[in-house]
Amino acid sequence: QQQVKQSPQSLIVQKGGIPIINCAYENTAFDYFPWYQQFPGKGPALLIAIRPDVSEKKEGRFTISFNKSAKQFSLHIMDSQPGDSATYFCAASVRNNDMRFGAGTRLTVKP
Amino acid sequence: GAVVSQHPSRVICKSGTSVKIECRSLDFQATTMFWYRQFPKQSLMLMATSNEGSKATYEQGVEKDKFLINHASLTLSTLTVTSAHPEDSSFYICSAQAGGRYEQYFGPGTRLTVT
Repeated sequence: QQQVKQSPQSLIVQKGGIPIINCAYENTAFDYFPWYQQFPGKGPALLIAIRPDVSEKKEGRFTISFNKSAKQFSLHIMDSQPGDSATYFCAASVRNNDMRFGAGTRLTVKP
Repeated sequence: GAVVSQHPSRVICKSGTSVKIECRSLDFQATTMFWYRQFPKQSLMLMATSNEGSKATYEQGVEKDKFLINHASLTLSTLTVTSAHPEDSSFYICSAQAGGRYEQYFGPGTRLTVT
């Protein structure tokens, strides 16, 4: 059972564009929503995370938008660069327990 | 801060042998460590959760006698794949979490190939 649904599966944007990756969840007990960036052959790196008490969080070029009523959250990458080309995973957890991951989005930023 | 290392980064072993993978939190104490498996172009699949000094909790479908997990200290957890078979070939990744914290920090992963 996939607890976190992520879309799209892949995404291609031009340099400077704003890719948006979406995730939806069912379990209302989830209270921590991180995004991870993974390059081929590497482990995932924590990018940014949000708790459900805020609707938006921004760190550098990365922004999470969170809609608690819709049970959805998304990642926006401003001024995307070719170096941002990677696979992005959303995730969710209840308190500090084990995390459930989305299926991943393969992002390609063309120069 | 929040650096997690794994060793080895890649290992090739013969079918039927055992291989041990180490996961270390280098600059924080990890009360909880997680082990994941990742197949090519797929998401991370949680295999087990280990708390320091306790037995690991395995996800449904993961054989605990095949994937032995030890979390003997606050900075080290090991995963031993026993009697490895080619179908065990995969990318194994650990993550570490400090007590009371939400963040999980991942290691660089170990590529296991069983021939």
